[in-house]
Amino acid sequence: NAGVTQTPKFQVLKTGQSMTLQCAQDMNHNSMYWYRQDPGMGLRLIYYSASEGTTDKGEVPNGYNVSRLNKREFSLRLESAAPSQTSVYFCASSATTGLGTEAFFGQGTRLTVV
Amino acid sequence: AQSVTQLGSHVSVSEGALVLLRCNYSSSVPPYLFWYVQYPNQGLQLLLKYTTGATLVKGINGFEAEFKKSETSFHLTKPSAHMSDAAEYFCAVSRPMEYGNKLVFGAGTILRVKS
Repeated sequence: NAGVTQTPKFQVLKTGQSMTLQCAQDMNHNSMYWYRQDPGMGLRLIYYSASEGTTDKGEVPNGYNVSRLNKREFSLRLESAAPSQTSVYFCASSATTGLGTEAFFGQGTRLTVV
Repeated sequence: AQSVTQLGSHVSVSEGALVLLRCNYSSSVPPYLFWYVQYPNQGLQLLLKYTTGATLVKGINGFEAEFKKSETSFHLTKPSAHMSDAAEYFCAVSRPMEYGNKLVFGAGTILRVKS
């Protein structure tokens, strides 16, 4: 079972470059999320999509955009990368956004902006 | 405002010793609480969760946690540590009044197991 698949796994960008992180899930989940993980700060929510066709800002949305392409896919775009966006990015999905619903995570994308 | 506090960014135990990872939450409504584990270079995996009902929750790999409303705590324990338990552990809470019901994570605790 693939679960949640993220590409790429590693990326190095120069300041000002743009890129899109891809995420796909094969569990027929309605809800998808993008988190960033920084040392000592845990995971912080960037954007989420409660269902196909909807997206909403999370805790740290500045500098990012998202697209829920279809039920399976949820991409994260950095239009003009900055060193502060160096982080590990995780995509997750869950059946719903109901309280207590388990989220399933991808293996992460390690992004370095120089 | 941080609603999940994990006490101790690093915890070191000997193999066979008790594991205790501490988590306190702040919430004005009954929370839903989770523990996730992250092995090196991996994504997060659910260990256990508390929603309603029994306050002592058993998870995978011999871990358990107890929800104590009076102490606003959800500490994670395992009676006997194994080398394979070395990982980073995250406590998380569902916050119904902010960002929908999304998970909000603590800063994480890195568990080291000494042989």
